[in-house]
Amino acid sequence: DAKTTQPPSMDCAEGRAANLPCNHSTISGNEYVYWYRQIHSQGPQYIIHGLKNNETNEMASLIITEDRKSSTLILPHATLRDTAVYYCIVRPAMGDMRFGAGTRLTVKP
Amino acid sequence: DARVTQTPRHKVTEMGQEVTMRCQPILGHNTVFWYRQTMMQGLELLAYFRNRAPLDDSGMPKDRFSAEMPDATLATLKIQPSEPRDSAVYFCASGLVQGAFGELFFGEGSRLTVL
Repeated sequence: DAKTTQPPSMDCAEGRAANLPCNHSTISGNEYVYWYRQIHSQGPQYIIHGLKNNETNEMASLIITEDRKSSTLILPHATLRDTAVYYCIVRPAMGDMRFGAGTRLTVKP
Repeated sequence: DARVTQTPRHKVTEMGQEVTMRCQPILGHNTVFWYRQTMMQGLELLAYFRNRAPLDDSGMPKDRFSAEMPDATLATLKIQPSEPRDSAVYFCASGLVQGAFGELFFGEGSRLTVL
């Protein structure tokens, strides 16, 4: 029973912003939105997480809609090294961490 | 540079053999997860521990898989007997849970091939 819906794949031009959408229409009030990515066969890597407010760190920005039913991960200036599978995960503060199928982002020169 | 360490990195074994995978979580982390990844099923949560106590192992085939944390510096995942369908990459991850959960750190994975 997937809690999130993501497009299976997306392309982005190198140097441009990559905007990765995620729908989580059944999110509960105490659930956070997390983003991870997995480059090739490496272990997943944490990117960012948020509850209600938009968040920004050195890697990306997370925009969460006011109703919290969807969010967008923004990589402001995508590079070839950002080619990866990006996972959007919804989970409560102390709960488990379950990954869906994610979005395969391909950054093209 | 703190990291999660998994051993072995690669393992080839024959059907029916016992396989033990080990994970050293980052010092001070209180939560450990085990995942399995295959092309068909993606990343599946097998089990996770908090403060060494198992919280959820519903993702594991109970008849052949077992997960333990004998101490805070070691988590183990055992398969006995192994089957070809167990071939996968097994990831361990650790994190520090204090109120809201932050970042999970993943190991490089153990690639298991069962012939």
